[in-house]
Amino acid sequence: EAGVTQSPTHLIKTRGQQATLRCSPISGHTSVYWYQQALGLGLQFLLWYDEGEERNRGNFPPRFSGRQFPNYSSELNVNALELEDSALYLCASSLNVGTGTRNEQFFGPGTRLTVL
Amino acid sequence: RKEVEQDPGPFNVPEGATVAFNCTYSNSASQSFFWYRQDCRKEPKLLMSVYSSGNEDGRFTAQLNRASQYISLLIRDSKLSDSATYLCVVNWSGSSNTGKLIFGQGTTLQVKP
Repeated sequence: EAGVTQSPTHLIKTRGQQATLRCSPISGHTSVYWYQQALGLGLQFLLWYDEGEERNRGNFPPRFSGRQFPNYSSELNVNALELEDSALYLCASSLNVGTGTRNEQFFGPGTRLTVL
Repeated sequence: RKEVEQDPGPFNVPEGATVAFNCTYSNSASQSFFWYRQDCRKEPKLLMSVYSSGNEDGRFTAQLNRASQYISLLIRDSKLSDSATYLCVVNWSGSSNTGKLIFGQGTTLQVKP
């Protein structure tokens, strides 16, 4: 069974540009999560989508946004790129989670974004 | 105080050694606990979930102490391939699910021949 896939693998942009990152979850998973891992830092939660709706977002500015499509794939958009946005962006998916469930998340290989 | 704290290491051990990693978490309402493994410049991979009664998977044993808000991972008979960063991860889902996992900074393990 295919795991979580992400594209592109690498992305190079300049300050002020916009970046679009894509993610396809494991078949049967309806929840998609986005995390940022900057160099030398831990994973920071960005966004959670489930059934096409944004369910939660982390402490990131509004220029980080995204959406989830009817086939449960997802897109992360970063507008007005800044140098400190350079990081590995990881997408994860899980089964539909409810209160009290374990929420095991499975990660894709990530998109490495470099902002020059 | 960080929500999930780990000793960053590195832990340098010889092949065959037993090594233990510890982790503490600050939110007593945390409900799910995991250990992930991350190789250099790769994505985190779920190693094991941690259950209240403790659980074992081959050479790996995880323990949870809710009273002390403490999680541990024991690796027996270390292999060279165990060299990686081990991430302690907590999910808080109290009255409503936040969806987000809280990651520790990771503990680096280097197993040497």
